[in-house]
Amino acid sequence: RKEVEQDPGPFNVPEGATVAFNCTYSNSASQSFFWYRQDCRKEPKLLMSVYSSGNEDGRFTAQLNRASQYISLLIRDSKLSDSATYLCVVNRRTNFGNEKLTFGTGTRLTIIP
Amino acid sequence: DGGITQSPKYLFRKEGQNVTLSCEQNLNHDAMYWYRQDPGQGLRLIYYSQIVNDFQKGDIAEGYSVSREKKESFPLTVTSAQKNPTAFYLCASSVGQGPLNQPQHFGDGTRLSIL
Repeated sequence: RKEVEQDPGPFNVPEGATVAFNCTYSNSASQSFFWYRQDCRKEPKLLMSVYSSGNEDGRFTAQLNRASQYISLLIRDSKLSDSATYLCVVNRRTNFGNEKLTFGTGTRLTIIP
Repeated sequence: DGGITQSPKYLFRKEGQNVTLSCEQNLNHDAMYWYRQDPGQGLRLIYYSQIVNDFQKGDIAEGYSVSREKKESFPLTVTSAQKNPTAFYLCASSVGQGPLNQPQHFGDGTRLSIL
């Protein structure tokens, strides 16, 4: 089983709609969580960190469910510019005390005019 | 502006040749990382360094080498032993110390292809 799993999509969603992505992680020692956005042939860029209490940034809401080991991203009132691949990222400490960041393979979103 | 600079943007390698990808950061970050991304796959960690003069192998280090002689610089050499080097290479950095809630920030990548 992969340490981080995402539905690869693609999600094709009309402009203005609400879309939600889920991501599951297998290691219960995971401590911090992020959503990154990656445009075609570009580098990933941090979209938002995910906090235990859930957090919102404009049209974007992130939730963490530690008991079920998943995180989610909700995009409201989607814009054409939201078209991208969304990467779920999970961070934990290894047995050697190092950070280990694991990336999901990403969920591809296309917003349709 | 603070950031991470990777060069070159595009690189071509001949058979049997070693090539070096540059990564420089002026964010004063302690930790630096190299990832490889293949189409339809997630990022895979090649090497990382949490402090100057120290680095560790990631999940796919075979055929690669790195050095960390300066805090700002973490070059990656793709050796001739790496038989499938065609990929998008991404360098990242993070604060590296303290709690695990510090995200990584990426350079804009180098695309390596075989001639």
